[in-house]
Amino acid sequence: AQSVTQPDIHITVSEGASLELRCNYSYGATPYLFWYVQSPGQGLQLLLKYFSGDTLVQGIKGFEAEFKRSQSSFNLRKPSVHWSDAAEYFCAVGASDYKLSFGAGTTVTVRA
Amino acid sequence: EPEVTQTPSHQVTQMGQEVILRCVPISNHLYFYWYRQILGQKVEFLVSFYNNEISEKSEIFDDQFSVERPDGSNFTLKIRSTKLEDSAMYFCASSVTSTLHEQYFGPGTRLTVT
Repeated sequence: AQSVTQPDIHITVSEGASLELRCNYSYGATPYLFWYVQSPGQGLQLLLKYFSGDTLVQGIKGFEAEFKRSQSSFNLRKPSVHWSDAAEYFCAVGASDYKLSFGAGTTVTVRA
Repeated sequence: EPEVTQTPSHQVTQMGQEVILRCVPISNHLYFYWYRQILGQKVEFLVSFYNNEISEKSEIFDDQFSVERPDGSNFTLKIRSTKLEDSAMYFCASSVTSTLHEQYFGPGTRLTVT
């Protein structure tokens, strides 16, 4: 079954430092991949998506992600983190025509 | 910017009671979904709905659950007889078409079953 793994449960990063969140997927064909962010008390907001084409995708809030088929990865990056980036981040794969399969999430803490 | 809305934001109910969670998807979207997130766990797919019928459901979505689009704007999830383990955040989502287009999520309804 299609699934994603987020190896890091919790990451702490200093404000202004770079951030990379890891995501590995399991899928036979070309996957549809997504990153969502959930701020405390909020719903899930789509940061970016990959369907095909350019393997480096740009998203909102200064985030980008790179699809690497050889490593079955879709890691999320941001060059310089702001305190408002403290949230939980979910990687997801389109597991069928209709459903998303989410990873367990990575909680990001930003320290001043 | 259009958004998915959900009501109520928090629902407390007693075990065995029926609850209805409501969602208003984005107006031009055709596919509707419910997901849930038990505290500390991953977001899990429950059901997808298109053209007034269920297109896919998970093993979680048993006979205690039902979905309905009672009018042109609302999309509801009913839990017939709630159990303690139904306590979770329930997210509604909608998309223009299928997963080929991104799903937009609402803010969630926190359901607490006591």
